[in-house]
Amino acid sequence: DADVTQTPRNRITKTGKRIMLECSQTKGHDRMYWYRQDPGLGLQLIYYSFDVKDINKGEISDGYSVSRQAQAKFSLSLESAIPNQTALYFCATSEGGTGGETQYFGPGTRLLVL
Amino acid sequence: DAKTTQPPSMDCAEGRAANLPCNHSTISGNEYVYWYRQIHSQGPQYIIHGLKNNETNEMASLIITEDRKSSTLILPHATLRDTAVYYCIVRPRNTGTASKLTFGTGTRLQVTL
Repeated sequence: DADVTQTPRNRITKTGKRIMLECSQTKGHDRMYWYRQDPGLGLQLIYYSFDVKDINKGEISDGYSVSRQAQAKFSLSLESAIPNQTALYFCATSEGGTGGETQYFGPGTRLLVL
Repeated sequence: DAKTTQPPSMDCAEGRAANLPCNHSTISGNEYVYWYRQIHSQGPQYIIHGLKNNETNEMASLIITEDRKSSTLILPHATLRDTAVYYCIVRPRNTGTASKLTFGTGTRLQVTL
């Protein structure tokens, strides 16, 4: 089984709808991240969490919110989806601390906002 | 994080070694060199990282020059499944703060028959 899973893998929604993307991990890592990737471009950090009680904004957090329900779960919500949020969304985890900062990514969620 | 420079694309014949260069001339003493790859639309995959010594794992080898200003990722026997965009990233190992990975444009490796 995959260490980092994302659901759904594909989603089509309409402008103005609220949607949630979910991420779960079995690696036992404390740190979790949400990134988005636009076609042909690099990854942009949306939010990150270093433990259950820690939530931090990344470089493009406007229009998004997150919830760290448990060490293993980190959800990303689009409060009112808009077309320019159409992108690939990746969740990642890392051990942090003395364990290093290697990040492990999920398979991605492809989101289309009409 | 230090800036990296990679060639935009490379070709490699299947079964041959793929040598992917990366220039990081402004690297500082506490920064590691990380390599990731992204197969089309999949999540980025960690390959290897190193500080100053050469490193090898089951996927690849990493050769870092003595002055640490450049490095080479070596895939010893490339296969078609190694076709991907390869990213060289330089960053401190334990940041304590935002751990954003800065993926540049990378090198698009095409492995051919």
